[in-house]
Amino acid sequence: QKEVEQDPGPLSVPEGAIVSLNCTYSNSAFQYFMWYRQYSRKGPELLMYTYSSGNKEDGRFTAQVDKSSKYISLFIRDSQPSDSATYLCAMSAGGGSEKLVFGKGTKLTVNP
Amino acid sequence: KAGVTQTPRYLIKTRGQQVTLSCSPISGHRSVSWYQQTPGQGLQFLFEYFSETQRNKGNFPGRFSGRQFSNSRSEMNVSTLELGDSALYLCASSFTGADSPLHFGNGTRLTVT
Repeated sequence: QKEVEQDPGPLSVPEGAIVSLNCTYSNSAFQYFMWYRQYSRKGPELLMYTYSSGNKEDGRFTAQVDKSSKYISLFIRDSQPSDSATYLCAMSAGGGSEKLVFGKGTKLTVNP
Repeated sequence: KAGVTQTPRYLIKTRGQQVTLSCSPISGHRSVSWYQQTPGQGLQFLFEYFSETQRNKGNFPGRFSGRQFSNSRSEMNVSTLELGDSALYLCASSFTGADSPLHFGNGTRLTVT
């Protein structure tokens, strides 16, 4: 079993839709959870950074972490064509260990 | 504030050669990490440097090495290149490396022929 599992998609939605992206993980030591967005020919761009369980909201983006289920989610409200990208979840145990473990990414297309 | 800068953006090398990639972190960031990204394996951790010392290392062969300079700039080197080393190599920096988020550069695309 991989440490982090992420459905690769592709996922195609109409503009304005609510998008739900998810990852599951197996390592209970993970405490720090991140979502990155990667456009073609670019590096990953940090979207959300959360510690432990709970929700975090930033504009149209909401990140949720459920450590009891080892499940994290990213919701995008009112999706825009500019949101079309690959979304990567990442996590780490923290505490000085900067090794991030990434999901393989979900490719999202938002159609105008 | 300038982001993470990686040079060169593209490289084409032949099997058996060696290559050096360069990374300038965000000003004030002291931790630099390197990742390899391939379609099959996704992003995989190579190593992390903090204050010129390698603090963590991933599961890559010894042909992959790195270093960090006193100004926090970092280089990674791959010797005896193999076809399977073709990938996007990403550098990321963070303030301390401990519990602070990583910010990535746009990577160096290495093609080995």
